[in-house]
Amino acid sequence: AQKITQTQPGMFVQEKEAVTLDCTYDTSDPSYGLFWYKQPSSGEMIFLIYQGSYDQQNATEGRYSLNFQKARKSANLVISASQLGDSAMYFCAMREDYQGAQKLVFGQGTRLTINP
Amino acid sequence: EPEVTQTPSHQVTQMGQEVILRCVPISNHLYFYWYRQILGQKVEFLVSFYNNEISEKSEIFDDQFSVERPDGSNFTLKIRSTKLEDSAMYFCASSEVLGINTEAFFGQGTRLTVV
Repeated sequence: AQKITQTQPGMFVQEKEAVTLDCTYDTSDPSYGLFWYKQPSSGEMIFLIYQGSYDQQNATEGRYSLNFQKARKSANLVISASQLGDSAMYFCAMREDYQGAQKLVFGQGTRLTINP
Repeated sequence: EPEVTQTPSHQVTQMGQEVILRCVPISNHLYFYWYRQILGQKVEFLVSFYNNEISEKSEIFDDQFSVERPDGSNFTLKIRSTKLEDSAMYFCASSEVLGINTEAFFGQGTRLTVV
């Protein structure tokens, strides 16, 4: 079974609109961390935001927020007031404690395109 | 801001040749990783390295691959006898500590093309 599922291969959004990128995860470990990374066309991986399984509040970082619904095992990324520079691939990833938190497991990614 | 640096940015090699991908992790980081991303696909974990030894590896990381920290700053991935399917972007990453909330800092990647 997939550990991380991103069901939207591509999203198209008008500039200045908000966009939600979906991520669901599968784990039996009560202790885990969820991450979102941005990969622009230049290829580097840029960390955006983190949510811990025990965090009571949804994480926020500037225009990025995480809609964390633990019972549904979802951790959707919300980008408010989208900008042209937000066009990129976005990856959701998870780190599980029982495996010694050694590795990040990534989803397939969502390609976000912001239209002017 | 400190960053992970990888060289070269792009490497083209003949099938069957050996390649060494180089990385300089962030200086106070203790945990080092290699990930691979085949074009258009997800990023996959290859190996983690701590205290001069492999701490975890994936099923992708077979005898064809090896990692080394030859000195106090470099961290290398060696791929022996490259195959066409080894063509991918290879990312080095490092982290200061290990934990579920640990952010891994990624390098800009090395694009390996096997011809």
